[in-house]
Amino acid sequence: EDKVVQSPLSLVVHEGDTVTLNCSYEVTNFRSLLWYKQEKKAPTFLFMLTSSGIEKKSGRLSSILDKKELFSILNITATQTGDSAVYLCAVVAEGNEKLTFGTGTRLTIIP
Amino acid sequence: ETGVTQTPRHLVMGMTNKKSLKCEQHLGHNAMYWYKQSAKKPLELMFVYNFKEQTENNSVPSRFSPECPNSSHLFLHLHTLQPEDSALYLCASSQGRLSSYNEQFFGPGTRLTVL
Repeated sequence: EDKVVQSPLSLVVHEGDTVTLNCSYEVTNFRSLLWYKQEKKAPTFLFMLTSSGIEKKSGRLSSILDKKELFSILNITATQTGDSAVYLCAVVAEGNEKLTFGTGTRLTIIP
Repeated sequence: ETGVTQTPRHLVMGMTNKKSLKCEQHLGHNAMYWYKQSAKKPLELMFVYNFKEQTENNSVPSRFSPECPNSSHLFLHLHTLQPEDSALYLCASSQGRLSSYNEQFFGPGTRLTVL
């Protein structure tokens, strides 16, 4: 059974700090890994990673995948209060039309 | 309207009630999904529809009955639910198959409380 584990479960930092969120996975025939941000209700898409070692970047957020070690990290630099949310990691397996999610990391940014 | 919309946003129902959740996507996507999000548990896939055909049923109890009349609309009919079914129900859509590197877009969800 496919499995996604995120750590830490929760994180509280001060505005301006840099954070690293972790996602490790076990999946048969890995296809892609996705990061989502969930503030109140709808998860919003951040990144899709398919190849090892290639960093995806969007503003202060960046993510990288290591397919050999089966993990991904999501970095947020110069954090702002608007970054407070639950960050979800999910994987897709080949031939399997579903996202398998982790439980998420709840990030709280203190002003 | 744009994106994925869901109605109602909040629903309280008794165990003997019958109600329906509605999802509509305005993105021209071909695939639609129902997920359940319970407190402190990962998002759980319930159903997948591709071009109106159900392609996945993730061992969901029969008291949940999906309906996909066309590629833009998805319903979840609820009947004789249990209190443990209280959760956030999220609808999502994608352009095509997830295994073809298509991302999912989520709706705002329906917060369901079963009394």
